[in-house]
Amino acid sequence: QKEVEQNSGPLSVPEGAIASLNCTYSDRGSQSFFWYRQYSGKSPELIMSIYSNGDKEDGRFTAQLNKASQYVSLLIRDSQPSDSATYLCAVISGGGADGLTFGKGTHLIIQP
Amino acid sequence: EAGVVQSPRYKIIEKKQPVAFWCNPISGHNTLYWYLQNLGQGPELLIRYENEEAVDDSQLPKDRFSAERLKGVDSTLKIQPAELGDSAVYLCASGHRDLPDTQYFGPGTRLTVL
Repeated sequence: QKEVEQNSGPLSVPEGAIASLNCTYSDRGSQSFFWYRQYSGKSPELIMSIYSNGDKEDGRFTAQLNKASQYVSLLIRDSQPSDSATYLCAVISGGGADGLTFGKGTHLIIQP
Repeated sequence: EAGVVQSPRYKIIEKKQPVAFWCNPISGHNTLYWYLQNLGQGPELLIRYENEEAVDDSQLPKDRFSAERLKGVDSTLKIQPAELGDSAVYLCASGHRDLPDTQYFGPGTRLTVL
């Protein structure tokens, strides 16, 4: 059974601070890792993908991957109230166009 | 570029009734996915199509759920008969063979079974 684990939160962070979201996965053969943002009542929106160990930065977002520890994280710098949403960690085990295995999501609240 | 289109956006039915959801993927996307999302949970894959072929339907409850993608473009997901536990959001996503692991989600259909 392939599993992706996230703390459901809510995680409350002051505006302007760094929000840190974490995820672990069970399938050691997983190849591709994603972070999706989902606003209430909306569909998931891809914000970051990462495939190799280390950090990947895109604007205020940094994804971190550690395959040895089976751990993925997302850092959001200079958090804004508009970042308040549920963040879903997702994994593809087989590579390519396989379906995504999602965690339950972490509800992030940025306090003005 | 238009995104993934789904209809209806909302559907309320009585239990034991049939229901169908429709999805039109992004133009040129050969891969199409149907996911189910329960409240407070992440989406769960139901079925994946490569063109018109269902290449992964292992998670589709085949006693009551069926899906088709006859011409390799639009897809329909059907439930017959619906049960109370089927109340959820049904999401369609599509992907292109050049970026096989990048999936774009439609707005979803929120189903309520009474």
